Amino acid sequence: QVQLVESGGGVVQPGRSLRLSCAASGFTFSSYTMYWVRQAPGKGLQWVAVISYDESNEFYTDSVKGRFTISRDNSKNTLYLQMNSLRAEDTAVYYCARDYYALGVHNWFDHWGQGTLVTVS
Amino acid sequence: EIVMTQSPATLSVSPGERATLSCRASQSVTSYLAWYQQKPGQAPRLLIYGASTRATGVPARFSGSGSGTEFTLTISSLQSEDFALYYCQQYNKWPLTFGGGTKVEIK
Repeated sequence: QVQLVESGGGVVQPGRSLRLSCAASGFTFSSYTMYWVRQAPGKGLQWVAVISYDESNEFYTDSVKGRFTISRDNSKNTLYLQMNSLRAEDTAVYYCARDYYALGVHNWFDHWGQGTLVTVS
Repeated sequence: EIVMTQSPATLSVSPGERATLSCRASQSVTSYLAWYQQKPGQAPRLLIYGASTRATGVPARFSGSGSGTEFTLTISSLQSEDFALYYCQQYNKWPLTFGGGTKVEIK
């Protein structure tokens, strides 16, 4: 079955960096566009970044542009989020999520990981 | 950015009753709308995409309707496991945006 397992969260000081990973299994990772979505404590969901299945496209929400970088290693079935210049407002649970269909960018999410908490303080 | 507004913020419903949740977009998203359910401490679960298509494994008591700027998620007869938070999400334009959520609680 499809599994997405995030790791790399923790407590980090403002201005520092952190890299999140999302290990995928149970499907052909290289065929799916992948996303990062975050949820601040007690708040709603916010889409953060997307990388297409073939790495040809990346998009970011405005608040993280220039600070965060999404990437993937299809040989390792792993998605990454490099987060630099972290701010208190980046504190959230970060989820990786999979696109619904293969081989395209469809922008809704059928499988989610359990999330990893990033605390910037 | 397209702002998604959900109402009400909290909906109190008795088990077995119908629940109707609303989602409004600040501009047309045609039918590019999804609904998710989230329970405490869990990741969201996809319920509906394309405004009205149930995702795999979603019970038939969940239905979605609407297009343009007005959307509705209806749960026809609430079961105990349906008490949760519900979010709508538009995917018509970047950035992808979510509504603030509706909490369905036991009356």
